[in-house]
Amino acid sequence: GAGVSQSPSNKVTEKGKDVELRCDPISGHTALYWYRQSLGQGLEFLIYFQGNSAPDKSGLPSDRFSAERTGGSVSTLTIQRTQQEDSAVYLCASSWKGGGGGETQYFGPGTRLLVL
Amino acid sequence: GNSVTQMEGPVTLSEEAFLTINCTYTATGYPSLFWYVQYPGEGLQLLLKATKADDKGSNKGFEATYRKETTSFHLEKGSVQVSDSAVYFCALGSGGSYIPTFGRGTSLIVHP
Repeated sequence: GAGVSQSPSNKVTEKGKDVELRCDPISGHTALYWYRQSLGQGLEFLIYFQGNSAPDKSGLPSDRFSAERTGGSVSTLTIQRTQQEDSAVYLCASSWKGGGGGETQYFGPGTRLLVL
Repeated sequence: GNSVTQMEGPVTLSEEAFLTINCTYTATGYPSLFWYVQYPGEGLQLLLKATKADDKGSNKGFEATYRKETTSFHLEKGSVQVSDSAVYFCALGSGGSYIPTFGRGTSLIVHP
């Protein structure tokens, strides 16, 4: 299908290692969001990309977290020196323009990260 | 700022029971309102939405009406099925912000 895809679907890593999570948005969507969903919690906004504009990084919890979006399409979320509290489901979503308002977000299936 | 408050779960019902999940919001301006559903092991998907006061969104037997006077967008379904077991998120999108605001989610468990 032509939905949002994420990889890997599951990732187990050891504390202190770096991980990269990938998101492939729907073709033509200019807005891309990353969220974190901890067990039993709601969605925590991490970062937002809109076209070629500078990303809104206001939700990143620490400088161990960073993200890139290449060519206005695929995005990679990197977590350096992982900690156990980073264990969560990382969700990616895309939308046509990211203008807020009435725009629907399309979510990927998520990456389940477990830090041992 | 914007906020969304939805009832805590889990909500446990028997099949064919009536469902209500309450959602209230605080926002500046005239937001759009959404219900998203997350089935086990999956990402969120749009269930329904409403973009202005008194609009009713509906899908798969679920309904919600945008009530500006009570700042509410309660989700209802007349007869739930086991397959409706999921987590339901109320959300709002405001023209003043490109970052939507999500509620904490309500888990629904439907028993046969």
